[in-house]
Amino acid sequence: EAGVAQSPRYKIIEKRQSVAFWCNPISGHATLYWYQQILGQGPKLLIQFQNNGVVDDSQLPKDRFSAERLKGVDSTLKIQPAKLEDSAVYLCASSLQGAYGEAFFGQGTRLTVV
Amino acid sequence: QQPVQSPQAVILREGEDAVINCSSSKALYSVHWYRQKHGEAPVFLMILLKGGEQKGHDKISASFNEKKQQSSLYLTASQLSYSGTYFCGTEGGRHRDDKIIFGKGTRLHILP
Repeated sequence: EAGVAQSPRYKIIEKRQSVAFWCNPISGHATLYWYQQILGQGPKLLIQFQNNGVVDDSQLPKDRFSAERLKGVDSTLKIQPAKLEDSAVYLCASSLQGAYGEAFFGQGTRLTVV
Repeated sequence: QQPVQSPQAVILREGEDAVINCSSSKALYSVHWYRQKHGEAPVFLMILLKGGEQKGHDKISASFNEKKQQSSLYLTASQLSYSGTYFCGTEGGRHRDDKIIFGKGTRLHILP
């Protein structure tokens, strides 16, 4: 079974630039999560999709972050403009149906904002 | 609200036991446990649902006390492969809100 795919693995940008991350979840998984993990901390939920609808985006800084999940499959997370404090690993995860079961995580994208 | 994990870090010798605790200030519906090795993605260990059940996975088991809003992860006869950071994720509320909030993690280091 193919896992959750994310790209790129690493990205270095200057502050105020924009960046986009891509995630392809496991086939058939209705729920998709984007988490932000700052070094030494636990993953922080940014946004949760159920198919192509948003279930929760209460912790997404909407003035600079946006996310979409077209056709209920792939998803992109965008930051525009980036700030230094956005430096983190961005993890995408998917599950068959919400918190009822295991979430499978991708390898993540390590973002460094300089 | 983010669950609180304790201890923050543990150093053990191979073969020793460890307990990692996770507590919440609000009622919980489920608790999820994950392990993350350095530079890797978190990997699922187990889910415990409301009802106070206990689960086991090889020499790793966990309990969930919904009245105390707490869960504990037990690692018995630890192996070198158990090293990593352990996260509990909680789903809260009297009804399912389907959102998993992770704690800050407990770093476990096993010495040979």
